[in-house]
Amino acid sequence: GAVVSQHPSWVICKSGTSVKIECRSLDFQATTMFWYRQFPKQSLMLMATSNEGSKATYEQGVEKDKFLINHASLTLSTLTVTSAHPEDSSFYICSAGTGASSPNYGYTFGSGTRLTVV
Amino acid sequence: QKEVEQDPGPLSVPEGAIVSLNCTYSNSAFQYFMWYRQYSRKGPELLMYTYSSGNKEDGRFTAQVDKSSKYISLFIRDSQPSDSATYLCAMSRNGNNRLAFGKGNQVVVIP
Repeated sequence: GAVVSQHPSWVICKSGTSVKIECRSLDFQATTMFWYRQFPKQSLMLMATSNEGSKATYEQGVEKDKFLINHASLTLSTLTVTSAHPEDSSFYICSAGTGASSPNYGYTFGSGTRLTVV
Repeated sequence: QKEVEQDPGPLSVPEGAIVSLNCTYSNSAFQYFMWYRQYSRKGPELLMYTYSSGNKEDGRFTAQVDKSSKYISLFIRDSQPSDSATYLCAMSRNGNNRLAFGKGNQVVVIP
C-alpha cells in the first residue's frame, strides 16, 4: 500500500513554456502533499506544502507565481512550472501524506520528475 | 546552523563490510527520525524510522537515536552491491509534519 505515482518521469521543454507535473496517491487519500526540488548530489529542498482544498504554503525564497501548486482532490496534486528557464532544470519530487501519525504512511514519495529546460 | 547535518562525503566499502552513517541535528523538538534510501533518478524510499531515542533493527539494518546528543546513526551489516545508493537522514516534530533532510551520503559497495 501507500503508492504515489508521479509523472512524467522526465520532460524537456523550451525556455518560456510551462510544464505540469502530476502526483497521485493510488491507494490512499493524501490530505497533505509536499513538493521538493533536488539538485545533483544535493539533498531535498522543500518547496511547498499543500493541503487538499486550500492554498499551498510556500517555503521562503520559493516564488509562488512561478511554481503553481494545485491540490484539488485527495488523490491528486499538480505542480506547474510557469515560464520555465534553464535555471529551473532540476529533479522535482512529491510526497503524499495521509495525516496519519505513523511516518510509514505519512511520507510516501513519488519517483520524481527530471525537468530539463533548453 | 542547519537543522540537520549529514557529512555528504561519498563512502566506498567492500562487499560484506559494515556501513556506518550518521547525522546530527539542532532542533530538540524532533521526535521522528528516519532514514531514506534513494537510487539514482528515483524518489526516496523509507528504510527505517525510529520514534524518540533508542535502537531499531530490521534485518541487516540498525537505526540508533541518541536524543541527548542529538545524534542518529544507521548501520548496514554484511553490505551488498544492491545497497549502493544515497542514504538520507530525515526528521520531524511529529508524524505529519514536514521533514528536515540531511544532505545524503552516497554509498558504493564494491563486489
